[in-house]
Amino acid sequence: DADVTQTPRNRITKTGKRIMLECSQTKGHDRMYWYRQDPGLGLRLIYYSFDVKDINKGEISDGYSVSRQAQAKFSLSLESAIPNQTALYFCATSDRSDNQPQHFGDGTRLSIL
Amino acid sequence: AQSVTQLDSQVPVFEEAPVELRCNYSSSVSVYLFWYVQYPNQGLQLLLKYLSGSTLVESINGFEAEFNKSQTSFHLRKPSVHISDTAEYFCAVSEINAGGTSYGKLTFGQGTILTVHP
Repeated sequence: DADVTQTPRNRITKTGKRIMLECSQTKGHDRMYWYRQDPGLGLRLIYYSFDVKDINKGEISDGYSVSRQAQAKFSLSLESAIPNQTALYFCATSDRSDNQPQHFGDGTRLSIL
Repeated sequence: AQSVTQLDSQVPVFEEAPVELRCNYSSSVSVYLFWYVQYPNQGLQLLLKYLSGSTLVESINGFEAEFNKSQTSFHLRKPSVHISDTAEYFCAVSEINAGGTSYGKLTFGQGTILTVHP
């Protein structure tokens, strides 16, 4: 089983719909992150969480919200989706104790029509 | 705030040829540096990292990168590439805070697509 699991892997939806992307991890890491990837722009940080009660905005948080339901679960919501939120979304985790790199899920490809 | 620039968006190369993927960064504080690789339909995987010590770091599959503080660069090299190295490569930095640790937030470059031809 993957250490960082994202669901769904693919989603097509319409403008104005509310969407939730889910991330769960089995690594026992404290820190979790949501990024979006756009061609030619690399990955940009949306939100990050250092524990269940510590959630922070990233570089591009407008139009998004998150929920850290448990140490192992971190969800990203688009309250009212718009076409320019079409992107590849990644969840990542890291352990605070080691200044170490992040471990990424396989991504959710989201298309908003 | 920091920024990362990958100077080449695409690098085509023939199998067994050497390759260099260039990365420059800008930051007002010290940073940790990383290279990640992304194969099609997959997430990012760590290729190598520089945290401290020797400025030349190596991966298990033959890649190496050298941290050059004066030029604020962290270029990735491989002396002989394989077809299987075809992927997108991302350079990233993480700011080091006053306590000497990192908050783990990564700033990524735009990515370089490496295509290895037979």
